[in-house]
Amino acid sequence: EAGVAQSPRYKIIEKRQSVAFWCNPISGHATLYWYQQILGQGPKLLIQFQNNGVVDDSQLPKDRFSAERLKGVDSTLKIQPAKLEDSAVYLCASRVAGSSGANVLTFGAGSRLTVL
Amino acid sequence: GESVGLHLPTLSVQEGDNSIINCAYSNSASDYFIWYKQESGKGPQFIIDIRSNMDKRQGQRVTVLLNKTVKHLSLQIAATQPGDSAVYFCAESNQAGTALIFGKGTTLSVSS
Repeated sequence: EAGVAQSPRYKIIEKRQSVAFWCNPISGHATLYWYQQILGQGPKLLIQFQNNGVVDDSQLPKDRFSAERLKGVDSTLKIQPAKLEDSAVYLCASRVAGSSGANVLTFGAGSRLTVL
Repeated sequence: GESVGLHLPTLSVQEGDNSIINCAYSNSASDYFIWYKQESGKGPQFIIDIRSNMDKRQGQRVTVLLNKTVKHLSLQIAATQPGDSAVYFCAESNQAGTALIFGKGTTLSVSS
């Protein structure tokens, strides 16, 4: 089966500009996640969707970050205006059922953002 | 807040050796623990998971051990190969289906 698709792979912008990332999860996966991974750290959850509804956005900086999943399939994550500290890899993941029943996430390759 | 962390940031081994990567967690209410491997320029890749009612699970060349008494999780890789070089993360999850919480990661370097 096809994996989680993300684009663009790389983006360089100046601070205060805006940027958008796109994610297409594995077909049929109802749950979609956006994670932020700063260099040298583990991924940190930004937002979780179940179909087109938000399950958890408690760690999303809502003054500058927004995300949507209007039709319950593709999702976009937007940053406006960007700050230097937003430089990171933005990972999209969708959920499968693991062999022990865990919430095993399948990740895309990520979108690397550099803010100058 | 509660989080999952790893004991050592780096681990260097020789090809063919066994590797042990450790993780300490703080949330005793977590139901599942999962190991991910992340190679440079790629997203994390699932390795193996274990439920909180288990002590040990084995996969292909990998074994995960869970010690709930001391809140410790480990990943053992047998006959480590150069292709195993990557950053390894442990993550926790609860039965309610909330998102994974990741630790900081251990970089495994395998020399031949």
